[in-house]
Amino acid sequence: DVKVTQSSRYLVKRTGEKVFLECVQDMDHENMFWYRQDPGLGLRLIYFSYDVKMKEKGDIPEGYSVSREKKERFSLILESASTNQTSMYLCASSLFGTGGYEQYFGPGTRLTVT
Amino acid sequence: AQSVTQLDSQVPVFEEAPVELRCNYSSSVSVYLFWYVQYPNQGLQLLLKYLSGSTLVKGINGFEAEFNKSQTSFHLRKPSVHISDTAEYFCAVKGGSTLGRLYFGRGTQLTVWP
Repeated sequence: DVKVTQSSRYLVKRTGEKVFLECVQDMDHENMFWYRQDPGLGLRLIYFSYDVKMKEKGDIPEGYSVSREKKERFSLILESASTNQTSMYLCASSLFGTGGYEQYFGPGTRLTVT
Repeated sequence: AQSVTQLDSQVPVFEEAPVELRCNYSSSVSVYLFWYVQYPNQGLQLLLKYLSGSTLVKGINGFEAEFNKSQTSFHLRKPSVHISDTAEYFCAVKGGSTLGRLYFGRGTQLTVWP
């Protein structure tokens, strides 16, 4: 079974702090994704990566950056957390060109910025 | 870019009744289509997917979906729901050259009442 793990289930941070969310997958997937999920808005793509050190902006990249130094790990960074970044963050991964690019999701990190 | 419309944000239904969750997508030459389910405080898990072949796709937990190319729809159905089917359901599409990116609908909350 594909396993996608996220470093924390719940996180509380203060405004202005630098926040790191980590995601690790164990199935050698090329593609990795970061989404945020808010009620009524569904999943919105922040960034994705299709290879080590490669990244593409999604629909809402402002206020976020990412890092992918190793194939299995994809980090989301909030440079200076703000209250409007309070949300559920979901990481996902997929194989390139196989299975229709089906994505496998982690359990999510619920981030609260106070 | 692709877009996905889930026509109902909330669907309440009584236990053992049939249910249909509707999904329409913007047209593309060829698409892959997915339905995911999310239980409270969890990540998304795949219910079923359409890649090619038969337009009727069967998934886990007794769900099925029908791909209709002329209507650009991929509606999810279950003939008899259980309390345990209460969850949020997301439709997603991959089309064209988008580096493995999926486009998600905003979700439909299915609530099953006893």
